[in-house]
Amino acid sequence: GENVEQHPSTLSVQEGDSAVIKCTYSDSASNYFPWYKQELGKRPQLIIDIRSNVGEKKDQRIAVTLNKTAKHFSLHITETQPEDSAVYFCAASIGTGGGNKLTFGTGTQLKVEL
Amino acid sequence: SQTIHQWPATLVQPVGSPLSLECTVEGTSNPNLYWYRQAAGRGLQLLFYSVGIGQISSEVPQNLSASRPQDRQFILSSKKLLLSDSGFYLCAWSRASSTFGSGTRLTVV
Repeated sequence: GENVEQHPSTLSVQEGDSAVIKCTYSDSASNYFPWYKQELGKRPQLIIDIRSNVGEKKDQRIAVTLNKTAKHFSLHITETQPEDSAVYFCAASIGTGGGNKLTFGTGTQLKVEL
Repeated sequence: SQTIHQWPATLVQPVGSPLSLECTVEGTSNPNLYWYRQAAGRGLQLLFYSVGIGQISSEVPQNLSASRPQDRQFILSSKKLLLSDSGFYLCAWSRASSTFGSGTRLTVV
């Protein structure tokens, strides 16, 4: 089955700096890659996703890049703010018309320091 | 719009007791439904998924079972809880992307 590895496990940045989280996946058939943000004690919330027919996607301060050949994808957060502090999870799946069975990375604890 | 409801929010149960967690989805028909478990400080592990009424797929062998008696209802159960069943249980539904319920924090004592 699919295996997703995520690095780093913790990341500390100064407010205003950029943060990058990287993931690799094993199944070349995976074609859907979402990123979730989870604040302490709360549910994961989808922040951005990308499909395998796209190499990059951007939404304001958040961007995701995908390298299908190398089977890795990354989350980029620019101009970080304290409210960006949370755990971020990458995931991969073979998407079908009925939905996606996600395999998650182990998470990155991002801390944005003032 | 679609909403997903999950209850209870927290639960403390003794070892050996039964478990029933319920999840319902509104505003969509025939959704794919999922149960995930998140251990403290860890990632999310897929436990079960369902593509329709009565159709359950188990991802990992465990002390739990799932049922889907109605299109929009997904239930996670156990006959006898173990200490290792403690965790944060999340229900999710998906079409294009997955949306999670608010979760149940289960502590087995």
